[in-house]
Amino acid sequence: EMQLVESGGGLVQPGGSLRLSCAASGFTFSNYAMHWVRQRMGKGLEWVSAIGTTGGPYYPGSVEGRFTVSRENERNSLYLQINNLRAGDTAIYYCARETAAGDGMDVWGQGTTVTVSS
Amino acid sequence: DIQMTQSPSSLSASVGDRVTITCRASQSISTFLNWYQQKPGRAPKLLINVATSLQSGVPSRFSGSGSGTDFTLTITSLQPEDFAIYYCQQSFSSVLTFGGGTKVEIK
Repeated sequence: EMQLVESGGGLVQPGGSLRLSCAASGFTFSNYAMHWVRQRMGKGLEWVSAIGTTGGPYYPGSVEGRFTVSRENERNSLYLQINNLRAGDTAIYYCARETAAGDGMDVWGQGTTVTVSS
Repeated sequence: DIQMTQSPSSLSASVGDRVTITCRASQSISTFLNWYQQKPGRAPKLLINVATSLQSGVPSRFSGSGSGTDFTLTITSLQPEDFAIYYCQQSFSSVLTFGGGTKVEIK
């Protein structure tokens, strides 16, 4: 069964840092581009990063410079480093697998919650 | 960045109704358009990619159409399990963007 499991979320003070992890299983991780998508409470989906099999990373302008996505194919793992956390970063963070053809995200984790508060 | 605008933002419908959700891109994205369904407390689920391609296991009452800037998700006969929020997302640009979502509620 294809599965993604996020971890690393928690309560962090403004200005702090956090590293989220996503463990993949049930598929050949190195063959797929991967994404991070976040969702603030009661709000819509917001794409925040992607890393390809050979290309990337990619970020929207709203997070560039503070978010760093990386992967370790040997560990079947995806990471998201978030620095200088702000209240607006409070959200559920999902990792997701891009389809083999590069059209959409077909496997999602259950999400990990990041709360930024003093 | 490419802006994706969905309409309506919410709708009320009854079981058996035909439902249409529209997604408009701020520039042409060919058919690089995907649709997701999200239920409360759950991760999104990919329903349709490249505008019209139904994912495996998705009921045939769901269909997608469109190209360029205007796209449509249609549910031909709404079922109780279809009450959810639906999002479009463009994959034309390396900077991905989602629409704001359409909440389908029970009338």
